[in-house]
Amino acid sequence: DGGITQSPKYLFRKEGQNVTLSCEQNLNHDAMYWYRQDPGQGLRLIYYSQIVNDFQKGDIAEGYSVSREKKESFPLTVTSAQKNPTAFYLCASRETGSSYEQYFGPGTRLTVT
Amino acid sequence: GQNIDQPTEMTATEGAIVQINCTYQTSGFNGLFWYQQHAGEAPTFLSYNVLDGLEEKGRFSSFLSRSKGYSYLLLKELQMKDSASYLCAGGTGGGNKLTFGTGTQLKVEL
Repeated sequence: DGGITQSPKYLFRKEGQNVTLSCEQNLNHDAMYWYRQDPGQGLRLIYYSQIVNDFQKGDIAEGYSVSREKKESFPLTVTSAQKNPTAFYLCASRETGSSYEQYFGPGTRLTVT
Repeated sequence: GQNIDQPTEMTATEGAIVQINCTYQTSGFNGLFWYQQHAGEAPTFLSYNVLDGLEEKGRFSSFLSRSKGYSYLLLKELQMKDSASYLCAGGTGGGNKLTFGTGTQLKVEL
């Protein structure tokens, strides 16, 4: 079955540590996205990539970094510079062209203490 | 900008019809999306409107008026499983990005 996988579902880290969240898709989609969701808030775009080896900052990129070395993979690193890293992180992908629909992975809930 | 506004919460009765409204600034958008999100889960796609009018898909329908910057999601024959957050999102950046509203938490009661 085609889809998007994110691992792990729950992740715990100590303050000051960098952590990398995994996102893999086998939908052959060109575009991939990372969002953050906080309680009572909508999804906010962190980074997105429309093609391999290229990515753009979203609305809240500070304290985060990404890479897009392979079409299937778009890992997100939450660095120690991110002031409030505890959140629900969602990865999505989209087939570029006429369709704008984004497909979401199951999410990773990151807790930093 | 592309501010999107929708009510924070709504309550409706099982079997009834509910309409969730969404308003947005009309500049620079490419279509209007609705997603459903159950607590702790990923959003799932419900509908997409790029032209004015009503799109019907089973118990769910979505309406768009581009000139008024207004959309709504209509849910018929409500079921308990419809209790979820409903996210309105506008396509921006030439369709490459989505800007989401804060979501409307719908509670379906007996």
